[in-house]
Amino acid sequence: EVQLVESGGGLVQPGGSLRLSCAASGFTFSSYWMSWVRQAPGKGLEWVANIKQDGSEKYYVDSVKGRFTISRDNAKNSLYLQMNSLRAEDTAVYYCARLLVRGWYVDRWGQGTLVTVSS
Amino acid sequence: SYVLTQPPSVSVAPGKTARITCGGNNIGSKSVHWYQQKPGQAPVLVIYYDSDRPSGIPERFSGSNSGNTATLTISRVEAGDEADYYCQVWDSSSVVFGGGTKLTVL
Repeated sequence: EVQLVESGGGLVQPGGSLRLSCAASGFTFSSYWMSWVRQAPGKGLEWVANIKQDGSEKYYVDSVKGRFTISRDNAKNSLYLQMNSLRAEDTAVYYCARLLVRGWYVDRWGQGTLVTVSS
Repeated sequence: SYVLTQPPSVSVAPGKTARITCGGNNIGSKSVHWYQQKPGQAPVLVIYYDSDRPSGIPERFSGSNSGNTATLTISRVEAGDEADYYCQVWDSSSVVFGGGTKLTVL
């Protein structure tokens, strides 16, 4: 069974840092593009970042460029999101997502981890 | 950047047909995907490639895409279909979501 399990969320002060992790199982992790998608409280889905199978390509939404870094460790079947210089508007549930390149859609989602940026 | 426009809300009586639209510039030239999200849960893919259904999704869910509008159609709506629905496309190496539509079953 395909599973994506996020961890690392929590309360952080503005300007602080946090590292999210996503543990993947039930599929060949190294064969898939992966993404982070977030959802602010009461708001819609917002794509955050994508990473290619071997990590050679990474793409970000403009609002996080220069502050967030997506990475992966295929040996550990893990996806990461390093978040620096956090702002109140980064408060959201962050979902780990598996992308299918045939059509570029998300076919599996994690349960999400909540990041709250507040003093 | 590419923009997808959805109505904030759609209401429908049980047993009737709900249609949720997703507007975008020449969206008919793109593949559109749809997700259902119930409160407190992660999204679930309900339609991909404009009109294909993943296994486990009822035949009541269908999709179409032409011109500047894609449409998710839910036939014989049930109380359990009440949820937020999001359309999505791929554009310039980015995943683009619509703003979401809250489906209310009266």
